[in-house]
Amino acid sequence: SAVISQKPSRDICQRGTSLTIQCQVDSQVTMMFWYRQQPGQSLTLIATANQGSEATYESGFVIDKFPISRPNLTFSTLTVSNMSPEDSSIYLCSVVGQALGETQYFGPGTRLLVL
Amino acid sequence: KQEVTQIPAALSVPEGENLVLNCSFTDSAIYNLQWFRQDPGKGLTSLLLIQSSQREQTSGRLNASLDKSSGRSTLYIAASQPGDSATYLCAVELTGGGNKLTFGTGTQLKVEL
Repeated sequence: SAVISQKPSRDICQRGTSLTIQCQVDSQVTMMFWYRQQPGQSLTLIATANQGSEATYESGFVIDKFPISRPNLTFSTLTVSNMSPEDSSIYLCSVVGQALGETQYFGPGTRLLVL
Repeated sequence: KQEVTQIPAALSVPEGENLVLNCSFTDSAIYNLQWFRQDPGKGLTSLLLIQSSQREQTSGRLNASLDKSSGRSTLYIAASQPGDSATYLCAVELTGGGNKLTFGTGTQLKVEL
């Protein structure tokens, strides 16, 4: 299995500001993803974080709003830009790796409240 | 577009009861299906993964089945315990989907003493 940490674990932010969330894995992984879970809803994929290149975004998500970096095989960041109350969600990173089999492992999540 | 639905949305059972959670998906061209557990305020824990070529997987008191042709999966929990209380999510990966998961709506389970 993989041990995944996220920072911060939670935050309360003012509208119009930006927050960067970090995801760190204890081993090199092939794929890293970012998901959003809005209150009372299931998870929705935001984007695939590609190592050394631009992230691949899902329909409805854009780079200007959710810039993503992945400088190496164990670390990624997601920034939520120009936040509004509608961005209040749990943000989770997940990983897939050859050594992990087909199972996808998730971080503990970052709970964001925008006032 | 793949849609994943879980029934029931919520379930409350007495301790010791066997129970079944249901998951249905609209696109049968799946690569695999995973069941996860989410505890309040925490991330997701992977429970079982079923490849598209498999019919079922077992882990302890959990048994997951897959009927790809009918677009259904079930998670069977035997002899439920209060510690099983959590939200259960199924997620499917499409063939050629690049490990991207589409999640179901979830079943919130409460096992009472």
